[in-house]
Amino acid sequence: AQSVTQLGSHVSVSEGALVLLRCNYSSSVPPYLFWYVQYPNQGLQLLLKYTSAATLVKGINGFEAEFKKSETSFHLTKPSAHMSDAAEYFCAVSDRQAGTALIFGKGTTLSVSS
Amino acid sequence: KAGVTQTPRYLIKTRGQQVTLSCSPISGHRSVSWYQQTPGQGLQFLFEYFSETQRNKGNFPGRFSGRQFSNSRSEMNVSTLELGDSALYLCASSTEPTDTQYFGPGTRLTVL
Repeated sequence: AQSVTQLGSHVSVSEGALVLLRCNYSSSVPPYLFWYVQYPNQGLQLLLKYTSAATLVKGINGFEAEFKKSETSFHLTKPSAHMSDAAEYFCAVSDRQAGTALIFGKGTTLSVSS
Repeated sequence: KAGVTQTPRYLIKTRGQQVTLSCSPISGHRSVSWYQQTPGQGLQFLFEYFSETQRNKGNFPGRFSGRQFSNSRSEMNVSTLELGDSALYLCASSTEPTDTQYFGPGTRLTVL
């Protein structure tokens, strides 16, 4: 069975600081991996996805994530945080073969202070 | 291209009632999935439809059902509402089941 663990339910950074949101996955088959962001009272917006083309994936708004098979990780980073990055972030995994449902982590709330 | 639309955006019902939520996918998308989001359980998969057929179903009671129409629009129904059904219900669409899912804004259901 697939699963996702997001370490840290809440991360706080200062504006301009590095953002690092951690995600570890468990999958018995080659996975698709995703990061989504959710702003208050909105749906989920896709930040980036890993589908095996490249281990370093660049997404929107300056975010990127690196797939590390040996560590079963897919951490999300951004070099310099902006106030507008404050939101909840979800890591998700799916089975690329079967196209099954997205399995989400519990989410990490990112706070950015000035 | 217009995104995924969901109606209504907000809904208040009382226990025992039933409710129907609607989702219109992105034009050209034939796969629709539904998710329930609650503070306690997080995001959980409800079901997935492709070409009017249910392909996959999550671990929810039979009170939760859905369907997809020939134009790919989808509805989900919850009968005999319980307080615990209060949640944000999200719909997502993709071109094919294995493709990236794009989410709508959700329907916020409150059961009193």
